[in-house]
Amino acid sequence: SQQGEEDPQALSIQEGENATMNCSYKTSINNLQWYRQNSGRGLVHLILIRSNEREKHSGRLRVTLDTSKKSSSLLITASRAADTASYFCATVWGGYNQGGKLIFGQGTELSVKP
Amino acid sequence: DGGITQSPKYLFRKEGQNVTLSCEQNLNHDAMYWYRQDPGQGLRLIYYSQIVNDFQKGDIAEGYSVSREKKESFPLTVTSAQKNPTAFYLCASSIISNQPQHFGDGTRLSIL
Repeated sequence: SQQGEEDPQALSIQEGENATMNCSYKTSINNLQWYRQNSGRGLVHLILIRSNEREKHSGRLRVTLDTSKKSSSLLITASRAADTASYFCATVWGGYNQGGKLIFGQGTELSVKP
Repeated sequence: DGGITQSPKYLFRKEGQNVTLSCEQNLNHDAMYWYRQDPGQGLRLIYYSQIVNDFQKGDIAEGYSVSREKKESFPLTVTSAQKNPTAFYLCASSIISNQPQHFGDGTRLSIL
């Protein structure tokens, strides 16, 4: 299976601290995406990093990608209680003409305490 | 506002019954997807469609069926052959496959 694995499975921090989540995968990828899911809701896309990129920023989010180690990390800086959610990485191994399906990891459940 | 609408939010199925989950998008996206999410788990792909009148099986298609007669609509039928249908079902769309997906807010299916 190509499914990614995320760690930790659960993370509890205080407001203002940084949160780091890691994702590992098994095959070569086209791109890697991070999503957020609030309880009982659909997923929301956060950031996409291509296989030829090493780092990407979006507001308080920083994503890194190490294709040699087949791993990625998501850093949320200066966390807020509203960041409490589950975070998923999803890898895309094929281009458009190969289906380009997303393969999701199991997710990291982040709890930010006020 | 553009987005994806899933209905109903909650659905109950009786033994031997087929039920259909609705998914409509007004984002003008070509690709649409159905996922199943079990408690504490990631998403597993049931079916996907890259273009109207075409769809492919995902990883767990057994017991499910879909149609894609219109660009905006991608309904999912959970048939009586699906023996463990209790789950949270999510529909998504993207401009083309391998690009970021937009998700609906899901349908929670339970067995009566």
